Amino acid sequence: RKEVEQDPGPFNVPEGATVAFNCTYSNSASQSFFWYRQDCRKEPKLLMSVYSSGNEDGRFTAQLNRASQYISLLIRDSKLSDSATYLCVVNMNTGFQKLVFGTGTRLLVSP
Amino acid sequence: GAVVSQHPSRVICKSGTSVKIECRSLDFQATTMFWYRQFPKKSLMLMATSNEGSKATYEQGVEKDKFLINHASLTLSTLTVTSAHPEDSSFYICSAQGGTVDNEQFFGPGTRLTVL
Repeated sequence: RKEVEQDPGPFNVPEGATVAFNCTYSNSASQSFFWYRQDCRKEPKLLMSVYSSGNEDGRFTAQLNRASQYISLLIRDSKLSDSATYLCVVNMNTGFQKLVFGTGTRLLVSP
Repeated sequence: GAVVSQHPSRVICKSGTSVKIECRSLDFQATTMFWYRQFPKKSLMLMATSNEGSKATYEQGVEKDKFLINHASLTLSTLTVTSAHPEDSSFYICSAQGGTVDNEQFFGPGTRLTVL
């Protein structure tokens, strides 16, 4: 079983749509959780951290369910510029980070 | 914000040659630097973790004699791919940690290595 699993997509949605991505992780001792965004042939960039209470940043909402070892990302009012690959990332360590990346979910937003 | 640079951004080399990739933290001191590799349509995989002045810790399956890591200062780490072969062709990305309270990793722009 992969340490971090995601549906690779692609998710094809029109502008303005709401889209949700899911992710599961295998290690119950995981410490912290993130969503990163990666554009084609570029480095990953932190989109947001994910907290147990759920957190929102503008059009983006992240949720964590530790009992089910499940993380989600909701994007409302999709923009063309949201087209990218979204990486679910889990930190295994305390102290310095040891990040484990999912393979990513590709999102394509069309006009 | 914290900026990490990598050089070169792209390199093409012949099989058997060695390639050195530099990773620099430009505006903060990086206590820890990380090297990742990403094959097409695959996830980033951590290769090794290095702290300034000490030996790197390699992940299982990564040959330390093939991927030499030097972390000589708090702002510079280098990865040398020795005797590169076509199967080493990949996207190599470094990251640096140390600029924030929450230990966020800041990623370099990556180096695309093609071995002919």
